[in-house]
Amino acid sequence: GAVVSQHPSRVICKSGTSVKIECRSLDFQATTMFWYRQFPKQSLMLMATSNEGSKATYEQGVEKDKFLINHASLTLSTLTVTSAHPEDSSFYICSARSLLGAQNNEQFFGPGTRLTVL
Amino acid sequence: AQSVTQPDIHITVSEGASLELRCNYSYGATPYLFWYVQSPGQGLQLLLKYFSGDTLVQGIKGFEAEFKRSQSSFNLRKPSVHWSDAAEYFCAASGTYKYIFGTGTRLKVLA
Repeated sequence: GAVVSQHPSRVICKSGTSVKIECRSLDFQATTMFWYRQFPKQSLMLMATSNEGSKATYEQGVEKDKFLINHASLTLSTLTVTSAHPEDSSFYICSARSLLGAQNNEQFFGPGTRLTVL
Repeated sequence: AQSVTQPDIHITVSEGASLELRCNYSYGATPYLFWYVQSPGQGLQLLLKYFSGDTLVQGIKGFEAEFKRSQSSFNLRKPSVHWSDAAEYFCAASGTYKYIFGTGTRLKVLA
């Protein structure tokens, strides 16, 4: 149980284009989903927290117009990197918090999406 | 400020040797604690977690961790390391709904 998927696993795009990454909780309902960014050989950096049906909360220094997050249902959140540039190239990981795990704050992580912007 | 510290950036051990990865946290109260492993290009896999109760926690792949309140530590151990254990290990703490991750420890295993 508690499986989170991400699609695509890898994406290469040209500079200036937009890229959408999907995060799905496959076997549970996720009231809260999190988006992280990980640079090579570094830890995970929380970008934003999204709650179903409401606007995402962005961490300090993260451009909300650059990284659009939508959490339209209890099983799906999307991250859209708008007008991507090479510096946006990174490994993006989502996680989800289920209603059952909420009391222990446990998050379930997706496998990540490698974004390369040329 | 809340923080998680993993003092060792790199650790190298021989296959079959014992392993201990250190994790210290700074929180107002005892947080929920987690250890994750990440192989290159992969997501995070949960090794074990501590919420309350028994301070010695057993996880997957033969790992265990001991919560020590007096030392604000949650060190990960394995009695005999296998070559497949080579990876990045992250300690994380959660007091509210967010996770705070340590900087990670990269484990290298010598044959």
